Amino acid sequence: DAGVTQSPTHLIKTRGQQVTLRCSPKSGHDTVSWYQQALGQGPQFIFQYYEEEERQRGNFPDRFSGHQFPNYSSELNVNALLLGDSALYLCASSRQPPTGRSETQYFGPGTRLLVL
Amino acid sequence: DAKTTQPTSMDCAEGRAANLPCNHSTISGNEYVYWYRQIHSQGPQYIIHGLKNNETNEMASLIITEDRKSSTLILPHATLRDTAVYYCIVRVSHSGNTPLVFGKGTRLSVIA
Repeated sequence: DAGVTQSPTHLIKTRGQQVTLRCSPKSGHDTVSWYQQALGQGPQFIFQYYEEEERQRGNFPDRFSGHQFPNYSSELNVNALLLGDSALYLCASSRQPPTGRSETQYFGPGTRLLVL
Repeated sequence: DAKTTQPTSMDCAEGRAANLPCNHSTISGNEYVYWYRQIHSQGPQYIIHGLKNNETNEMASLIITEDRKSSTLILPHATLRDTAVYYCIVRVSHSGNTPLVFGKGTRLSVIA
């Protein structure tokens, strides 16, 4: 058990609606990254939050937004849902590494979103 | 795009060693090799990572060739619970928490 928690586990929405997914990082971690995994594909990076700011972003439209709270937990918001947004949404937590080092990301169980 | 090439699928007999290859011929000197696995519909699980030396932990061993252009993940005694998709990822090690770039991975089936 990596200690990263996500809620809810499953969610069903209809096209055009908005959704908020939540993530609590592992104890001692301060950085949260979000990934989208479509069926049969590897996870794709959406964005990363550190010190309550978006630090890096993948190739996703601005319908995807996020937030990080002072306790390091994070939310992923998706507006104007499309059928193609149906996927497993994964949260990964890590620490910010010292210069020249690489820190391991630990994943939560994911939230499965179905858009009808 | 992922900077690694892995076989699409492999089979392994239960109790035998599973050797999963990964090609990363364009790897740079400051890039680590990471391995994760994903059991059906769960979040990816970290296994091991290395820069240039071979690494071993309680889950697996990672063998990196001297030229660093390929590596092999070894599960010494595969069990049915090791059936999963295994991802080999190359990741820059400089400052900053660089994202993981996943390919399609290798689907390992452990057979009784």
